[in-house]
Amino acid sequence: DTAVSQTPKYLVTQMGNDKSIKCEQNLGHDTMYWYKQDSKKFLKIMFSYNNKELIINETVPNRFSPKSPDKAHLNLHINSLELGDSAVYFCASSPRDYSYNEQFFGPGTRLTVL
Amino acid sequence: SQQGEEDPQALSIQEGENATMNCSYKTSINNLQWYRQNSGRGLVHLILIRSNEREKHSGRLRVTLDTSKKSSSLLITASRAADTASYFCATPPPGGGSQGNLIFGKGTKLSVKP
Repeated sequence: DTAVSQTPKYLVTQMGNDKSIKCEQNLGHDTMYWYKQDSKKFLKIMFSYNNKELIINETVPNRFSPKSPDKAHLNLHINSLELGDSAVYFCASSPRDYSYNEQFFGPGTRLTVL
Repeated sequence: SQQGEEDPQALSIQEGENATMNCSYKTSINNLQWYRQNSGRGLVHLILIRSNEREKHSGRLRVTLDTSKKSSSLLITASRAADTASYFCATPPPGGGSQGNLIFGKGTKLSVKP
């Protein structure tokens, strides 16, 4: 049983395209996150949702738009893709919006923008 | 902003040896977590240590926390080839963790040779 799943695992696309990454968790968690990991392995928070409500929106270009249709799903849509968007994007979830909780990560989506 | 920073950046040891990784952080925290990332995979939570704890064990893992020095260490005893991975420390952001997100360091890449 996959706890946090992401699709697709790999995404190769041209500059200027629009793409989406989907995330689903079956853990019953209230909070979901999107992180970006760059080529140097640096992992940075992008967004956080608690019960479908946005609670963190770090300094991310507004080309990135998260959408949470329900608390088990958090999708990431990216408009007008740029070369610098190439990275691995991780979805994660935790029981509630409090940092004492461990986070459960998905397998990642490797985005390559050509 | 980056909170935790691991040291060393890379560590190569023989199977059976112990591996020690260190993490330093900048501001007061209420807990510190360690995660492991195997190549091409998502992060997996290893252990959480609270600010009022000095040491914690989990199997072959031993974590210490020194809040006066703002540092933590992760010791893996009797290492195995399967321990080869990147290890990250993670802390709540400066000002607390009421939003649930974590700030990750850049990680220590551990290579255990058979």
